[in-house]
Amino acid sequence: DIQMTQSPSSLSASVGDRVTITCRASQGISNYLAWYQQKPGKVPKLLIYAASTLQSGVPSRFSGSGSGTDFTLTISSLQPEDVATYYCQKYNSAPITFGQGTRLEIK
Amino acid sequence: EVQLVESGGGVVRPGGSLRLSCAASGFTFDDYGMSWVRQAPGKGLEWVSGINWNGGSTGYADSVKGRFTISRDNAKNSLYLQMNSLRAEDTALYHCARVGLGDYENYMDVWGKGTTVTVSS
Repeated sequence: DIQMTQSPSSLSASVGDRVTITCRASQGISNYLAWYQQKPGKVPKLLIYAASTLQSGVPSRFSGSGSGTDFTLTISSLQPEDVATYYCQKYNSAPITFGQGTRLEIK
Repeated sequence: EVQLVESGGGVVRPGGSLRLSCAASGFTFDDYGMSWVRQAPGKGLEWVSGINWNGGSTGYADSVKGRFTISRDNAKNSLYLQMNSLRAEDTALYHCARVGLGDYENYMDVWGKGTTVTVSS
């Protein structure tokens, strides 16, 4: 099965910073990758699918890139409401797998 | 409003069974694949199972294969997860999620709030 590895596991950044989270697949998955945001006590929210397509209603400061095995989620200017855990997910074929998550905090 | 509401969780002894349900509303249910995703306390997301639009194709995580069965009733706009031979490690919040058009091998754009399953003696 394909494993998804996120880095870092946690990070702390200041408001206005550019933040990048990385997700690596153990085998190529083309662009079958999604990113989710889960705020404390809340349900996961889809941010990006097909590696770089922004879900409707998601702020434009979020962006995704990559293909094959290496992917990134970027927040161009960190806002206080972005405090959350972020997960990548591959969906090219079953089993569907998530990365272990990246916890993002405000410094 | 697009909505998914799970039910059926509870406390069960190891080796016991539970059946989870997910009621869908606000969209054409039989256009979409569906999945169950769980989250153990303080842990990350784990895909459990998925089903395509008509129930003809299903998939399971290795951790539940042979113990859990996913099904759907499109006439009732409902998704189900029959869980047998439950183990302590199945303790989690179980979410149902809407997947892409037709298939379950896709991203999840709508999530329910979940139902809690606790396996304990």
